[in-house]
Amino acid sequence: RKEVEQDPGPFNVPEGATVAFNCTYSNSASQSFFWYRQDCRKEPKLLMSVYSSGNEDGRFTAQLNRASQYISLLIRDSKLSDSATYLCVVNMAGNTGKLIFGQGTTLQV
Amino acid sequence: DGGITQSPKYLFRKEGQNVTLSCEQNLNHDAMYWYRQDPGQGLRLIYYSQIVNDFQKGDIAEGYSVSREKKESFPLTVTSAQKNPTAFYLCASMETGGRTEAFFGQGTRLTVV
Repeated sequence: RKEVEQDPGPFNVPEGATVAFNCTYSNSASQSFFWYRQDCRKEPKLLMSVYSSGNEDGRFTAQLNRASQYISLLIRDSKLSDSATYLCVVNMAGNTGKLIFGQGTTLQV
Repeated sequence: DGGITQSPKYLFRKEGQNVTLSCEQNLNHDAMYWYRQDPGQGLRLIYYSQIVNDFQKGDIAEGYSVSREKKESFPLTVTSAQKNPTAFYLCASMETGGRTEAFFGQGTRLTVV
């Protein structure tokens, strides 16, 4: 089993749609979680950190479920500019310090 | 301005040659990472370092080597033992403890000719 797994893509949605991505992780000792956005042929950039209480930033909402070991990203009112690849990232922290990326989910609006 | 810089942006290598990719950061971050990305794929961890003079293998370390002699620098050498080195290479840094996000360089595109 991969350490971090994401929904397979691509997701093709019309403008204005709501779309959700899920990501599961295998190590229950993982300490912090992030969603990154990557545009074609560019470096990834932070979209949101994910907190246990959930967090929202405009049209974007991130949730963490530690019991089930998954995180989610919800995008409301999708815009053309949201088209990109979304990467789920898990930091093992502690003694390992491994920062593991999911394979990414491509969104085309 | 603080940031993380990779060079060169594009690199061409002949088969059988070793090449070194540079990664420098002035963010005072202890942790640094090297990833490889193939077309349509996610980022795979090659090596990472949490402190000067120490580093660990990631998931695909074979054919690569690194050094961490200075906090600011984490160069990656792609050796001739790496059979399929053509890829996009990304370097990242972050504070230890894992509570803050990682920052990335702009990447190096390596092509074997």
